[in-house]
Amino acid sequence: QQQVKQSPQSLIVQKGGISIINCAYENTAFDYFPWYQQFPGKGPALLIAIRPDVSEKKEGRFTISFNKSAKQFSLHIMDSQPGDSATYFCAASRKSQAGTALIFGKGTTLSVSS
Amino acid sequence: GAVVSQHPSWVICKSGTSVKIECRSLDFQATTMFWYRQFPKQSLMLMATSNEGSKATYEQGVEKDKFLINHASLTLSTLTVTSAHPEDSSFYICSAPGYYGYTFGSGTRLTVV
Repeated sequence: QQQVKQSPQSLIVQKGGISIINCAYENTAFDYFPWYQQFPGKGPALLIAIRPDVSEKKEGRFTISFNKSAKQFSLHIMDSQPGDSATYFCAASRKSQAGTALIFGKGTTLSVSS
Repeated sequence: GAVVSQHPSWVICKSGTSVKIECRSLDFQATTMFWYRQFPKQSLMLMATSNEGSKATYEQGVEKDKFLINHASLTLSTLTVTSAHPEDSSFYICSAPGYYGYTFGSGTRLTVV
């Protein structure tokens, strides 16, 4: 049973557009929701993360929107650039419990066309 | 910030041999290390959790005798793929939790020929 569902699987956005990736989770005990960016052959790199007591967090061009009642969160990339072309993973964990690993969504391949 | 150094970044080995992957926490103490496996164009799947000084906990379906994990110190965790076969070819990534989040190694591409 997949605990974190991510969509879409792939996304094509024009340069300057907004990229939106959505995730839904099932375990209400999750208390940490990060987004990671991964380039081919590299480990995932943290983009931005949010905790459930906040509905939105913005860092530069990246924004997380969080809906606790719907158990959903999304990543918005504003002014998307070709350099943003990568695979994005949402994840969740019960970080407050020591030794709890991140559970990842299946990933979204983003292509930003110039 | 917290850094996890993972080596080697890539390795090619013959079928039947063993390969060791190391993850070192450079500027913090990693009491816990998570090991993930990633197949091409797929997500990261948790294989096991290691804790310093104790036996690793393996996820369902992961062969503990094939994937040996040692976490002998607060800064070093190793994953040894024993008697490797072509189906073990994959991208292996370690991760350590910290105050600000989870830090990932750069990954190891294992190819078994």
